Amino acid sequence: QKEVEQNSGPLSVPEGAIASLNCTYSDRGSQSFFWYRQYSGKSPELIMFIYSNGDKEDGRFTAQLNKASQYVSLLIRDSQPSDSATYLCAVRNSGNTPLVFGKGTRLSVIA
Amino acid sequence: KAGVTQTPRYLIKTRGQQVTLSCSPISGHRSVSWYQQTPGQGLQFLFEYFSETQRNKGNFPGRFSGRQFSNSRSEMNVSTLELGDSALYLCASSLGASGGHEQYFGPGTRLTVT
Repeated sequence: QKEVEQNSGPLSVPEGAIASLNCTYSDRGSQSFFWYRQYSGKSPELIMFIYSNGDKEDGRFTAQLNKASQYVSLLIRDSQPSDSATYLCAVRNSGNTPLVFGKGTRLSVIA
Repeated sequence: KAGVTQTPRYLIKTRGQQVTLSCSPISGHRSVSWYQQTPGQGLQFLFEYFSETQRNKGNFPGRFSGRQFSNSRSEMNVSTLELGDSALYLCASSLGASGGHEQYFGPGTRLTVT
């Protein structure tokens, strides 16, 4: 059973701080990694994807991938109250396999 | 470019009835995936279609079925509805079925079964 694990939270950080969200996965063959943000009552929104080991930066977001340790993380710099949401990690194997989602981490940014 | 659209947005049905949900992918996207989201189980994969062919199927009973049309639009059907089928049903589209293609979600259809 391929699994993606996330701490459910809530993770509370003060406004302006760095939020660090972590995700581990069980399938060593995983090749594609995605972070989605989901506001309450809304659908998930893709915010980052990463395919290679290392860091990938996009604005205030940085995705970090370590395939050897089977974890992927999302850093949010200068956190804002509008970043308060549930963040879903999703992982996909290189084959014709479906995305596997974690249950998400709820982030709360306190003004 | 327009995003993924889903209809209807809200639906209330009675146990035993059936329901059909529709999804139109982003223009040019050929892969459509369906998910069920509930507070307790999170996002559960239902099925994935690419070029009118079902490529993957999740662990759901046969009451859940789907199809994809030649224009990439997709429908899912749930027959003999149960109370436990109450959920947010999400459709996501991507360019192709192979790994590495990013999926974009529609707004979802919230189904309530009474």
